[in-house]
Amino acid sequence: DTGVSQNPRHKITKRGQNVTFRCDPISEHNRLYWYRQTLGQGPEFLTYFQNEAQLEKSRLLSDRFSAERPKGSFSTLEIQRTEQGDSAMYLCASRPGPFSGNTIYFGEGSWLTVV
Amino acid sequence: DAKTTQPNSMESNEEEPVHLPCNHSTISGTDYIHWYRQLPSQGPEYVIHGLTSNVNNRMASLAIAEDRKSSTLILHRATLRDAAVYYCITYNNNDMRFGAGTRLTVKP
Repeated sequence: DTGVSQNPRHKITKRGQNVTFRCDPISEHNRLYWYRQTLGQGPEFLTYFQNEAQLEKSRLLSDRFSAERPKGSFSTLEIQRTEQGDSAMYLCASRPGPFSGNTIYFGEGSWLTVV
Repeated sequence: DAKTTQPNSMESNEEEPVHLPCNHSTISGTDYIHWYRQLPSQGPEYVIHGLTSNVNNRMASLAIAEDRKSSTLILHRATLRDAAVYYCITYNNNDMRFGAGTRLTVKP
C-alpha cells in the first residue's frame, strides 16, 4: 500500500516561470487537499476536491494558481508567473471520503524555491 | 481561521509523560478532534482522533473534556523521536484547517 505521493520533491525556479506539482493520492481516496506551508507556520489550506470536482478554494489561491483533478485520481497544482513569495512547501493530502472521522493522509510535500 | 488554540511550545524530559492541551470552544456536535504531528521537513502525520470518548492507540491517548471544548493529547513516555510540532484540529466534512500548533522539545 503506497501513501500519498508528490513530485517533484524539490523545485528551484526563476521568478516569472511556471511550475507544476503532481499529487497521487492513496488509491480510492475520493477527497484530495492541497496546502501550502512556510517556515514556522502551520499548513494553510488552499483547495480540495471531491473526486474531480473542486469544492472549495481559499482566498490564498490567487489567479496565478490553478488546481485540477481531471479523472478524480491524481491532481496537479500549477503556479504561473511565480513570485518569491510563492516559495514554500506544497502539501497534498487525501482521505477516503467526507466523513469527519476519516483520517487525512499527507504526502511528504513539494518544496518550491523561487529565485 | 483555525478553530483551535494551543500553546506555542512545550518542553519535556525524555521518558516522562507529556500532556499537550488544546482549546476548541466553538466545536460543533459532529466535529471530530484530530491530532497530527509534523517532524522537520516532513508532511504531517496522523496521531489520534476522537469524538466524545477518550481514545487510546499505540502512539498516544486523547482525553476529551465532557463539554468537548478542550482536549489533551497524552504521550505516556516521551522519546527524542517525539520532538515535533503537534497540531490539534477540529473539522467537519469539508476542509481541515491548521493553526500554528505546539512545538514539543524533548530533552534527554
